[in-house]
Amino acid sequence: DGGITQSPKYLFRKEGQNVTLSCEQNLNHDAMYWYRQDPGQGLRLIYYSQIVNDFQKGDIAEGYSVSREKKESFPLTVTSAQKNPTAFYLCASSKEGARNQPQHFGDGTRLSIL
Amino acid sequence: AQKVTQAQTEISVVEKEDVTLDCVYETRDTTYYLFWYKQPPSGELVFLIRRNSFDEQNEISGRYSWNFQKSTSSFNFTITASQVVDSAVYFCDLSEPQGYSSASKIIFGSGTRLSIRP
Repeated sequence: DGGITQSPKYLFRKEGQNVTLSCEQNLNHDAMYWYRQDPGQGLRLIYYSQIVNDFQKGDIAEGYSVSREKKESFPLTVTSAQKNPTAFYLCASSKEGARNQPQHFGDGTRLSIL
Repeated sequence: AQKVTQAQTEISVVEKEDVTLDCVYETRDTTYYLFWYKQPPSGELVFLIRRNSFDEQNEISGRYSWNFQKSTSSFNFTITASQVVDSAVYFCDLSEPQGYSSASKIIFGSGTRLSIRP
């Protein structure tokens, strides 16, 4: 079945450590997105990529980095510069980068501080 | 600036009752898109519906219906004869063409947690 796979489901980070969240899609979608969800809040866009080898900052990009070397993959690195990383992270994709396309979501990675 | 308000943080109703989830948005753009997503306990968001700014037709899909009114900047979602499986968090999303602005122009509301009691 086509879909989006996020791993791991749970992740723990030590102080000063970088961690990478994986996101893979087999939907042949051009655009991919990373969101952060905090309790009682909506999703906030961290980074998005409309095409391979290109990505743009979202609304809360500080302390995060991404790469888009393959169409299927859009990993997110939470760096030590992100002082409050505890949250639920969701990856999504859409057929095109146009904003009228619905997004397909993975089932998320929950990141906590040790 | 764009904004999406879902004023109802939590709603709890008994099964078979009708329930309406409110979504009010703010935008200066004349072209925009509105979406509703459902987030069950498993975590992933599931797309329910999209509406373009130039299409004010209401829509019904089974027990779900949507009322889009540009005059009041609202895009409300009604579940008729609710069922326990409808229990989830529901998000309203406003998306706009990227243009030259550095803003992402993808704005989610804070969500409404809907609980359907048997």
